[in-house]
Amino acid sequence: GAGVSQSPSNKVTEKGKDVELRCDPISGHTALYWYRQSLGQGLEFLIYFQGNSAPDKSGLPSDRFSAERTGGSVSTLTIQRTQQEDSAVYLCASSFGLEKYTQYFGPGTRLTVL
Amino acid sequence: QKEVEQNSGPLSVPEGAIASLNCTYSDRGSQSFFWYRQYSGKSPELIMSIYSNGDKEDGRFTAQLNKASQYVSLLIRDSQPSDSATYLCAVRTGGYQKVTFGTGTKLQVIP
Repeated sequence: GAGVSQSPSNKVTEKGKDVELRCDPISGHTALYWYRQSLGQGLEFLIYFQGNSAPDKSGLPSDRFSAERTGGSVSTLTIQRTQQEDSAVYLCASSFGLEKYTQYFGPGTRLTVL
Repeated sequence: QKEVEQNSGPLSVPEGAIASLNCTYSDRGSQSFFWYRQYSGKSPELIMSIYSNGDKEDGRFTAQLNKASQYVSLLIRDSQPSDSATYLCAVRTGGYQKVTFGTGTKLQVIP
């Protein structure tokens, strides 16, 4: 595809349920990032991948959050036992490499936990 | 102290004026600096990146970096109503791939 795609675009779930958010980066981009943006807030870094490896998981808010990337392409962010404070827009970005390469953002997944 | 600080605004400027957006950062080891624009309900899009002290110009946009003062700014000349958005400052620290974003400054360009 031409850009980063994310699915679903919207997800409404009940407290305590597990959710999976998907990110499909731009073809050829080796780096992939997950961010979270709560209403009226800035972007909160969650995790990044270089290839299939996640060297920095320090941003994950709790052990309920996990992410994986397979084949150096698609990534999945999983939130277990969702809580209301998990409600936010989850943004994925990819870049050709690290350091100075531009991050291109996907449209985001709006997660609402009831 | 926040790692990346921005005035939340809103910053209101009349159409045609220069808008000046400011950002300070705490880590002296920071190497790469970015300005993103985010329209309401949309994803951020990159406007400018800057890596060296001084000014970098691209069309109506000029990014300014002063590493000694740990300060980066974005000037928008001839502001247009379509420039009304939230502008996010982002900083990457050398040796790390994490990019830290400020909370953004909301710019309103009044016709």
